[in-house]
Amino acid sequence: SQQGEEDPQALSIQEGENATMNCSYKTSINNLQWYRQNSGRGLVHLILIRSNEREKHSGRLRVTLDTSKKSSSLLITASRAADTASYFCATDALYNFNKFYFGSGTKLNVKP
Amino acid sequence: GAVVSQHPSWVICKSGTSVKIECRSLDFQATTMFWYRQFPKQSLMLMATSNEGSKATYEQGVEKDKFLINHASLTLSTLTVTSAHPEDSSFYICSARVLRDRGTGAFFGQGTRLTVV
Repeated sequence: SQQGEEDPQALSIQEGENATMNCSYKTSINNLQWYRQNSGRGLVHLILIRSNEREKHSGRLRVTLDTSKKSSSLLITASRAADTASYFCATDALYNFNKFYFGSGTKLNVKP
Repeated sequence: GAVVSQHPSWVICKSGTSVKIECRSLDFQATTMFWYRQFPKQSLMLMATSNEGSKATYEQGVEKDKFLINHASLTLSTLTVTSAHPEDSSFYICSARVLRDRGTGAFFGQGTRLTVV
């Protein structure tokens, strides 16, 4: 299975602090993406990083990718209570970019 | 941005009945859509790939006869849970990607919470 693992499984921080989540995967990929899911809702695409990129920024989000270690990290800076959600990484297969496999997810709780 | 609409958002049905869930891409064409299942507090498990005009491709361990997928047009895929049982209760989510655009992520429906009683 290509499905990856994320850690930590749960993270609780105070508003204003930074939150870092890690994702590891198993096979070669085209892209890695991060998604956010509020409880009981669909997923929202946050950011995509290609396999030839090492770092990418979008607002308060910073994503890194290390293909040699098959790992990625998502950093949310200056967190807000509204960032409370589950965060998933998703990878596609090298020869089937349409198919995504999701990591186990990190449940982030930002306390006001 | 692209929108994927899923309907219904929740459904309760009796054991033994069938339930149909629709997934529509509202402002783009999607030759391929994906169906996921999510158990409480767990990640999304890919169930099947829905291909417009042809048979769906199912992931290992997913029963084809249990989860019928039809992708009759470039904007609509349906998942029918046949003869539903309580263990089929779950959150089902569809997704679609803009054709030939490898630079974007997928767009997800809002999900359907199925409860079989």
